[in-house]
Amino acid sequence: DSGVTQTPKHLITATGQRVTLRCSPRSGDLSVYWYQQSLDQGLQFLIQYYNGEERAKGNILERFSAQQFPDLHSELNLSSLELGDSALYFCASSVDLAGGPSSYNEQFFGPGTRLTVL
Amino acid sequence: QQQVKQSPQSLIVQKGGISIINCAYENTAFDYFPWYQQFPGKGPALLIAIRPDVSEKKEGRFTISFNKSAKQFSLHIMDSQPGDSATYFCAGSNSGYSTLTFGKGTMLLVSP
Repeated sequence: DSGVTQTPKHLITATGQRVTLRCSPRSGDLSVYWYQQSLDQGLQFLIQYYNGEERAKGNILERFSAQQFPDLHSELNLSSLELGDSALYFCASSVDLAGGPSSYNEQFFGPGTRLTVL
Repeated sequence: QQQVKQSPQSLIVQKGGISIINCAYENTAFDYFPWYQQFPGKGPALLIAIRPDVSEKKEGRFTISFNKSAKQFSLHIMDSQPGDSATYFCAGSNSGYSTLTFGKGTMLLVSP
C-alpha cells in the first residue's frame, strides 16, 4: 500500500458527461501528479500541483482540469467526455523538496481509477 | 515527441533466466532514471533508480546498466521468477523538476 488513495475505483459514464476523480496524497507529501494510462499511449503525465499551486503541465486536454485543495487532496475534472477518454487515471504524490534533486522525489502511485466512457 | 523509447513491448522468459529491458532517452537534461514495476490492477511502484554519474546499480536480482554517451539504460532481472511477471516502465527526470517522462512499458511474463 503506497499510502495514496483514489476514489472511485471504477467509473462508467456516457459521452458528453463530466466526472470528478479524487486523490488523497501520502501524509506529508506536498506534490500531486495526475497520469493517464492507456494501452496505446502508456503512462502520460497530465498535470502536477505543489502545495495548492499548479507546477507543471503535460499532455492535458483543455476539457480536463485539476485542483489541489488546502488539505492537499486533489481532484481531476474531466468534461465533455469522449470514448477515447476511457483509460486508467493514476494519481501520485511525492515530498518534492523544493530545488532538490529528482532522486529525492520518488513518486508514490495510487491504485488508480478506471474510467469507461460508453 | 516521445522522449523515452522502451523495448521490447513484451517479453517471455523462462524461470531462472535473465530478463533484459532497454530504454533510450533523448533529453540530455535528464539526470534521474527510475524503473517502475506495475502488477495488474495496481499502480506503478518504484523498483530501482540510477543517476548518470554511475554506470551500474544493483539491488538484489535487479540491475540497471547506464550508458551516458549512448543515452541508453537497461534493466536486467537475474534469476527471473514467476512473481516478477508484471509491466515495467522506465522513466527519465530532470533535476529541479519532479515530473517523470515514461517509456511505453514492457509486459514481462516469466513462465514456470
